[in-house]
Amino acid sequence: GIQVEQSPPDLILQEGANSTLRCNFSDSVNNLQWFHQNPWGQLINLFYIPSGTKQNGRLSATTVATERYSLLYISSSQTTDSGVYFCAVEYGGNQFYFGTGTSLTVIP
Amino acid sequence: DGGITQSPKYLFRKEGQNVTLSCEQNLNHDAMYWYRQDPGQGLRLIYYSQIVNDFQKGDIAEGYSVSREKKESFPLTVTSAQKNPTAFYLCASSIGIDTQYFGPGTRLTVL
Repeated sequence: GIQVEQSPPDLILQEGANSTLRCNFSDSVNNLQWFHQNPWGQLINLFYIPSGTKQNGRLSATTVATERYSLLYISSSQTTDSGVYFCAVEYGGNQFYFGTGTSLTVIP
Repeated sequence: DGGITQSPKYLFRKEGQNVTLSCEQNLNHDAMYWYRQDPGQGLRLIYYSQIVNDFQKGDIAEGYSVSREKKESFPLTVTSAQKNPTAFYLCASSIGIDTQYFGPGTRLTVL
């Protein structure tokens, strides 16, 4: 199977700070997505980004498929950004494999 | 509103009982998925379906069963053969293998 590793596992930020979350994967993938899971368990899709760079407001993501990693940037963090961030890769046809997540806490 | 609904939100089961979790979507998506999440862990795929009347096992299908009789519905049955069923169960749907959209989840507790 494929290994999906995220770092750091935990992150505490002061409101207004910037952060970078990393996702490494052990083999070539067809698809990569970033999700945010809020404290109530709801997963929200942030980016579908098999390669390249995308931006959406204060969030942006970059995937370098040839080097098997993706980065999620959060700028000017807010308390509502708290939660767990997952990356998921599509590998082996029709299946997504999730990393163990980065737990982010933004303090006011 | 379009979206994915899961019911119930909380479910309690006695050991040895089968229970069925509901997942319904009105997004007209072909593909649907069931995941299991344990505390502090990522999601693991139980079953997925790309089309009506067809479904495939994921990495942890043992002790679970599904059906896909309608495009909108993909119920998951947790059978008594599942040795450690207490977990958070999430249903998702997508157009093909593209962006996945998730329901709010069902928390299952075995008493």
